Amino acid sequence: EAGVAQSPRYKIIEKRQSVAFWCNPISGHATLYWYQQILGQGPKLLIQFQNNGVVDDSQLPKDRFSAERLKGVDSTLKIQPAKLEDSAVYLCASSLGRHMNTEAFFGQGTRLTVV
Amino acid sequence: QKEVEQNSGPLSVPEGAIASLNCTYSDRGSQSFFWYRQYSGKSPELIMFIYSNGDKEDGRFTAQLNKASQYVSLLIRDSQPSDSATYLCAVKAPDSWGKLQFGAGTQVVVTP
Repeated sequence: EAGVAQSPRYKIIEKRQSVAFWCNPISGHATLYWYQQILGQGPKLLIQFQNNGVVDDSQLPKDRFSAERLKGVDSTLKIQPAKLEDSAVYLCASSLGRHMNTEAFFGQGTRLTVV
Repeated sequence: QKEVEQNSGPLSVPEGAIASLNCTYSDRGSQSFFWYRQYSGKSPELIMFIYSNGDKEDGRFTAQLNKASQYVSLLIRDSQPSDSATYLCAVKAPDSWGKLQFGAGTQVVVTP
């Protein structure tokens, strides 16, 4: 079974530029999460999708971050414009569903450096 | 108050000893609890999860859950140098959508 796929693996951009990250979850997984992990910290949930609908985006900086999950499969997270403090690893995770005993599996992440 | 709290460490453990990691959570209605291991520069990988009070064992790992006291722990028996990593506690919220929130992680260093 293929895991969660993310691209690109690494990205370096200048502040005020825009960037997009792509995630393909495990086949059949209805729940998709985007996390931001700053060095030395735990993953912070940015947005959670159930199929193609947003169910939690309370910690997403909506003035610069956006995400979509068209057709309930692949997802894209965008930052526009980027700030220095956005430097982090962006992790995508998916799970079969929202029930309590369904675990989430992570992709390899995208390491973003904003200079 | 953070929703999921862990001691950041580092927790230094001699090889062969037991490593004990703790995690507390603020939402009393939380339903399920996950332990992930994260090696430096890698993404988190699931070790085990627990949702009933008591102990759950999987190989050298034992998860312990006490919902009344709102804490969950992870024991690593016969610690090996390959266990050196950051261990993340994650809690699934009791809301309708299973929001999964993480603690900051505990760094474990197993010394030969």
